[in-house]
Amino acid sequence: KAGVTQTPRYLIKTRGQQVTLSCSPISGHRSVSWYQQTPGQGLQFLFEYFSETQRNKGNFPGRFSGRQFSNSRSEMNVSTLELGDSALYLCASSLRHPNTEAFFGQGTRLTVV
Amino acid sequence: DAKTTQPTSMDCAEGRAANLPCNHSTISGNEYVYWYRQIHSQGPQYIIHGLKNNETNEMASLIITEDRKSSTLILPHATLRDTAVYYCIASGGGADGLTFGKGTHLIIQP
Repeated sequence: KAGVTQTPRYLIKTRGQQVTLSCSPISGHRSVSWYQQTPGQGLQFLFEYFSETQRNKGNFPGRFSGRQFSNSRSEMNVSTLELGDSALYLCASSLRHPNTEAFFGQGTRLTVV
Repeated sequence: DAKTTQPTSMDCAEGRAANLPCNHSTISGNEYVYWYRQIHSQGPQYIIHGLKNNETNEMASLIITEDRKSSTLILPHATLRDTAVYYCIASGGGADGLTFGKGTHLIIQP
């Protein structure tokens, strides 16, 4: 069956803009988590959605938000982009909450200029 | 999640068993040990997890000490494709998601 699909794979945005990233989980998976990966900070947890509800949230400013739809697809939004938001954004899906046995997508590489 | 400590890097010859250690001395009773790996430019890949018994699947074996303060991930016959960063995570599924540390960069030598 198809894995976790993230779109787009690459994105370049200007400081101050906003961006929306999309994640389609594995069919049947109801939990979706988002992570940010940078060379300096490594992999950091952003938030987890399960059954359209945000269940957990990491230590990120309110500019980072997300949502999950009834088909379990998820989007994350970053508003007022800063240079430091340049990162690989990874989505992970799993059958259950909490999302610990997670299947990750290939990520979206966001560059803010 | 409990803090984990792993060596920064390790080498292993192709075809040999790769043994990756992890210390988690402050692990609590409800926290599982998870192993993930990340091959360059890809998303992390789940490998295995366990609570207190040793576990084996098609990818690897996980050996957890009786006091649960440390564990070892074993890749029985390492191949060049096993070169990756391996993350050991102790998690009870709490509010912080999976806490990835810096992991061990495993390099399989031909």
